[in-house]
Amino acid sequence: DTAVSQTPKYLVTQMGNDKSIKCEQNLGHDTMYWYKQDSKKFLKIMFSYNNKELIINETVPNRFSPKSPDKAHLNLHINSLELGDSAVYFCASSLEETQYFGPGTRLLVL
Amino acid sequence: GDSVTQMEGPVTLSEEAFLTINCTYTATGYPSLFWYVQYPGEGLQLLLKATKADDKGSNKGFEATYRKETTSFHLEKGSVQVSDSAVYFCALIGRGGSEKLVFGKGTKLTVNP
Repeated sequence: DTAVSQTPKYLVTQMGNDKSIKCEQNLGHDTMYWYKQDSKKFLKIMFSYNNKELIINETVPNRFSPKSPDKAHLNLHINSLELGDSAVYFCASSLEETQYFGPGTRLLVL
Repeated sequence: GDSVTQMEGPVTLSEEAFLTINCTYTATGYPSLFWYVQYPGEGLQLLLKATKADDKGSNKGFEATYRKETTSFHLEKGSVQVSDSAVYFCALIGRGGSEKLVFGKGTKLTVNP
């Protein structure tokens, strides 16, 4: 069974478009995260939600808006996509301090 | 703020060689320390962790010891295999309660047969 799943796996789109990435976890964890991994593999946290409440919001452009309809889901919506948004986006969930990552969504903005 | 510094790669070894990937950290108090591994095309997986000074984390032949005096958490394996080829990330969670993982920049390891 997949623990943390993300859709889509690949996303190719034009500059200026709006897109969403979905994340679901079936581990029963209360806390979920979004990370961005750039082309040099550097990972940086973007957002964290605990039981549907935003608890971490790093310096991320407000074109990025996370939404948590329930504690098993944390979706990421991106408005007005820019070339620099091209990256791999990882969702994760945690039990205490250990985080479990999804397989990633590879976003390419043309 | 909290930060992690790990040796930058890439690291290329022959099968059965000894591996060390250095990691040092800066944090307030005593953070929990982690090594995550990312195999090609996949997400990150927890490899091992240590939550207090002198703890040793171990998994799949990899080990790392939490050294408070040197603020280090170096990753070691006595005999690497081709299947260990991946990117390795050192990370910490501080004691501020935010559960925010702070990652090092990652070290790419390639093991040749």
